[in-house]
Amino acid sequence: DTEVTQTPKHLVMGMTNKKSLKCEQHMGHRAMYWYKQKAKKPPELMFVYSYEKLSINESVPSRFSPECPNSSLLNLHLHALQPEDSALYLCASSQAAGGVEAFFGQGTRLTVV
Amino acid sequence: GIQVEQSPPDLILQEGANSTLRCNFSDSVNNLQWFHQNPWGQLINLFYIPSGTKQNGRLSATTVATERYSLLYISSSQTTDSGVYFCAVDYFNQFYFGTGTSLTVIP
Repeated sequence: DTEVTQTPKHLVMGMTNKKSLKCEQHMGHRAMYWYKQKAKKPPELMFVYSYEKLSINESVPSRFSPECPNSSLLNLHLHALQPEDSALYLCASSQAAGGVEAFFGQGTRLTVV
Repeated sequence: GIQVEQSPPDLILQEGANSTLRCNFSDSVNNLQWFHQNPWGQLINLFYIPSGTKQNGRLSATTVATERYSLLYISSSQTTDSGVYFCAVDYFNQFYFGTGTSLTVIP
């Protein structure tokens, strides 16, 4: 099983709302990632967790707050987002951070109104 | 950082035609993957290919790490091959995506 599951698939939220995106994998992978993808652009790395510790934060605004409660779960907490944060948010996992194959979820399409 | 450029940016093919997509990268990398992004946004793994040649059905890929490029070959294209193709390189434990090739296969 090479499945990474993301929920929800679609999310519409207001600028004052608080919401969370969820990502789950059961492949025993120890690295998990959040990417952001705008329309007609490649995905851009936001965060990397390695062994449940945040190892890379690509200067992402604090209104995005990642959390890795255990080795199978990755959350992205959203608060006070702006309309320009509307995008496809992709989660990925790999056995380790670096040098190995990564697998992606189907993404959450977020619209901020 | 590293630059990852793909060519061509857009490609339109008649069903049944063959094509070659190219990925150039500006520095040595640990790993390279090819993905197909379907219209719903899902990134589907095609190849994990740090070096050498692999084949899977109508698709094959070759990476020449010493010359910093990779090629994806699609033979006998089908309409279901439409979508965006990305290469992604592992550079210092971060995946950097290429600029993408948007492929449209018309019947």
